[in-house]
Amino acid sequence: QKEVEQDPGPLSVPEGAIVSLNCTYSNSAFQYFMWYRQYSRKGPELLMYTYSSGNKEDGRFTAQVDKSSKYISLFIRDSQPSDSATYLCAMSAPRGSTLGRLYFGRGTQLTVWP
Amino acid sequence: DSGVTQTPKHLITATGQRVTLRCSPRSGDLSVYWYQQSLDQGLQFLIQYYNGEERAKGNILERFSAQQFPDLHSELNLSSLELGDSALYFCASSGRGFGGNTIYFGEGSWLTVV
Repeated sequence: QKEVEQDPGPLSVPEGAIVSLNCTYSNSAFQYFMWYRQYSRKGPELLMYTYSSGNKEDGRFTAQVDKSSKYISLFIRDSQPSDSATYLCAMSAPRGSTLGRLYFGRGTQLTVWP
Repeated sequence: DSGVTQTPKHLITATGQRVTLRCSPRSGDLSVYWYQQSLDQGLQFLIQYYNGEERAKGNILERFSAQQFPDLHSELNLSSLELGDSALYFCASSGRGFGGNTIYFGEGSWLTVV
């Protein structure tokens, strides 16, 4: 079992839709949770970052972490064609030899059509 | 622009050859990470250096090696290349106070082995 599981999609939605992206994980030591956006095999760009459990909102994006269920989500409201990209979840433990090492999901390919 | 610079952007080489990928981290960042992204494996952590010293090792093959120099730039050496080594290789850097939100990725080096 991979430490981070993410449905690769693809996911195709109309412009203006609410998008829900999800990841599950197995390592209870993970404390930092991130969402990256990657365009056309470019470098991953950090979108959202959450420490431990809870919600975080930034514009049209909301990240949620439920550590009890080992489940994280990213919601995109009023989705735009420019949101079309691959979304990667990533996680990290806070200390020890794994400090700074990110464990990534496989990525979900999202297409928002006009 | 993340501030992490990788060269070369594209590289085509033959099986059995050796290549060196170079990374310049963001100004002031002491940690450098190397990741490999292939279609079937997603983003995989290879190795981390902190201020010149190896900090953590992931799924890095014995044919691969890396180092971080006193000026903090890093090189990833790939030898005895095989077709399966074709992938995007990303470098990332982070500062002293890692908190997940300080890891920035470069644009990657696209290696094709023929």
